[in-house]
Amino acid sequence: NAGVTQTPKFQVLKTGQSMTLQCAQDMNHNSMYWYRQDPGMGLRLIYYSASEGTTDKGEVPNGYNVSRLNKREFSLRLESAAPSQTSVYFCASSPRATKDSGNTIYFGEGSWLTVV
Amino acid sequence: TQLLEQSPQFLSIQEGENLTVYCNSSSVFSSLQWYRQEPGEGPVLLVTVVTGGEVKKLKRLTFQFGDARKDSSLHITAAQPGDTGLYLCAGARVGGSNYKLTFGKGTLLTVNP
Repeated sequence: NAGVTQTPKFQVLKTGQSMTLQCAQDMNHNSMYWYRQDPGMGLRLIYYSASEGTTDKGEVPNGYNVSRLNKREFSLRLESAAPSQTSVYFCASSPRATKDSGNTIYFGEGSWLTVV
Repeated sequence: TQLLEQSPQFLSIQEGENLTVYCNSSSVFSSLQWYRQEPGEGPVLLVTVVTGGEVKKLKRLTFQFGDARKDSSLHITAAQPGDTGLYLCAGARVGGSNYKLTFGKGTLLTVNP
């Protein structure tokens, strides 16, 4: 069971270049997320998709766009990369939240992005 | 202002020692999760607590959710080098979106052999 798979694992971009981070989950989860993790800042939500066909901004959406391609896939696009977007990016998914289970997030292994 | 404050930020102990890490907030949470993250990997869920006062045990790890659902603690008994990692708490605020989990900055635990 692969869980949450994201690609690429590592990427170096020049300022102004664009790229798309791909993410797929095989757990039939309804919701998907993109987080970034920076030293001293913790994990911050960029965008999320509560269900197929919907996307919403998180805490730090500026400079990013997302597409929920289908139930399995959720991509993150940087249209014009900036050095401030150097970070580790995590895709995640969760089943429908319930009163008993809360909202449990399952993370991918991360994508290390450096913008020079 | 960090919504979820974790303490301590860093903790280095010897194998066999006990430890407690804390996750505190002035806000009430409908649920709270604890994750462990190892270098180069994504966070992995350890436990979810949803009821005030709830205590859950996972082998040598004991998790407690505060009565008022504003805080939580993680106690590790007889720590082992394999417990080394970044421990993160995350919660969904009451009245907030279940999808917008708030994460603490984490406690980086090192257990020395």
